[in-house]
Amino acid sequence: AQSVAQPEDQVNVAEGNPLTVKCTYSVSGNPYLFWYVQYPNRGLQFLLKYITGDNLVKGSYGFEAEFNKSQTSFHLKKPSALVSDSALYFCAVRDPLRANFNKFYFGSGTKLNVKP
Amino acid sequence: GAGVSQTPSNKVTEKGKYVELRCDPISGHTALYWYRQSLGQGPEFLIYFQGTGAADDSGLPNDRFFAVRPEGSVSTLKIQRTERGDSAVYLCASSGTGTTTDTQYFGPGTRLTVL
Repeated sequence: AQSVAQPEDQVNVAEGNPLTVKCTYSVSGNPYLFWYVQYPNRGLQFLLKYITGDNLVKGSYGFEAEFNKSQTSFHLKKPSALVSDSALYFCAVRDPLRANFNKFYFGSGTKLNVKP
Repeated sequence: GAGVSQTPSNKVTEKGKYVELRCDPISGHTALYWYRQSLGQGPEFLIYFQGTGAADDSGLPNDRFFAVRPEGSVSTLKIQRTERGDSAVYLCASSGTGTTTDTQYFGPGTRLTVL
């Protein structure tokens, strides 16, 4: 079965410092990977996705993620964190099997706290 | 443009009652998804529509749950004989064509509380 794991329930970082939110995946076949952010009382917002091509993917709000096939990871990064980045972040993988491509599997989420 | 909207934003009901949750997808999006998000968890797939038909309902937990999308736009998730364990946030998402590279766009969710 396809799955993603977010090993950290919470990440704390000071404003201005770089941040990393970790995600590892387990997929049969080529992975389609996504990051979403969820602010309180709001729906999930798309940040970025990896389908194919360059391993470094750039997305919204200055976020980027690096696809690492050998480590089966897709960590979310930002060079300089903002207090406004504080939110819940979800990694997701889309089932690459044609019969199941509509299925997305989400991690349990990582709460990012950026302190002034 | 307008995003995905969901109504109501909150629903409190009593055990055993019937509830309907509504989703209005982004105009023109043919693919529509329902997810359930329990506290402290990521969204869990329930059902996927391509147009009017339920292309994959394998995530529905049991036969108390049912969803329709009669005209290929608005969708309604229906839960019969609600149980306390049904309490969760129900999310709807839509995407353009439902193809592999598509991005899903989520609504704000309906928080269902079963007393």
